[in-house]
Amino acid sequence: DQQVKQNSPSLSVQEGRISILNCDYTNSMFDYFLWYKKYPAEGPTFLISISSIKDKNEDGRFTVFLNKSAKHLSLHIVPSQPGDSAVYFCAASAWISNFGNEKLTFGTGTRLTIIP
Amino acid sequence: DGGITQSPKYLFRKEGQNVTLSCEQNLNHDAMYWYRQDPGQGLRLIYYSQIVNDFQKGDIAEGYSVSREKKESFPLTVTSAQKNPTAFYLCASKITGEFSYNSPLHFGNGTRLTVT
Repeated sequence: DQQVKQNSPSLSVQEGRISILNCDYTNSMFDYFLWYKKYPAEGPTFLISISSIKDKNEDGRFTVFLNKSAKHLSLHIVPSQPGDSAVYFCAASAWISNFGNEKLTFGTGTRLTIIP
Repeated sequence: DGGITQSPKYLFRKEGQNVTLSCEQNLNHDAMYWYRQDPGQGLRLIYYSQIVNDFQKGDIAEGYSVSREKKESFPLTVTSAQKNPTAFYLCASKITGEFSYNSPLHFGNGTRLTVT
C-alpha cells in the first residue's frame, strides 16, 4: 500500500506565479517530512523539511505546510522560476526499531513544469 | 568537493548476467542506501548499511546483493534472479549518530540499468 501519495503526476505553472505541490500520507507514525527535487538523469537533492510539531517551515521561495489532522502537506514555491522545473518527491520519516534508524517512505513524485 | 559517485551512468546487460553497480562516497557518512526508481513509482529501498561490514535488506531486496567492506564503498549486485532489473538505481548516504535524526539523504546521480 502506498503510505505517501502524490496524486498529481504533473503540474504546469506560469513563471512568476505560485506552484503548489501536494502530498498525503496515511501512517500517523510519520514524524518528519521532506521534499526532494530531482532533475532528469540526476539524483534527488534535499529541498526543505518540516517536523510534525510544526505546521509551517519557510526557506526563501519555498514553504512547506503541514496539516496533521488531515495528514496532508504541501510545498509552495513563489515566485516560480524556470529552474524549478523538475520532479518533486515528498518523503515521510518514522523511527523503525528493527530498521535501527528513521526510515523514509517516498511518494511517487510530481513533475513540475514552469512555463516562461 | 564531497559527494557520492555512481558509475557507470548507463549500463546495458543481457538477461541472465549478474551486474555490479558502483557507489563511492567521500562524505565520511556511516549510513549508505540503495534505492530503485521506476516510472510512476516512488523510490523504493533495496538495501541499506548503517556501518562497515553490516547491511540489511530493504523493502525489495530479492534478486540483489551488497557488500560494505569499506566505509566509502557500497556496491550493489543485480543478480539474474531479479525479475525486472531494468530501472534507475540511486545510491545515497547520510550522517548518523547524535543530532543526526532526520538529517537528509545525499544522493548520487544514479545508474540507469537496461537488461535485454
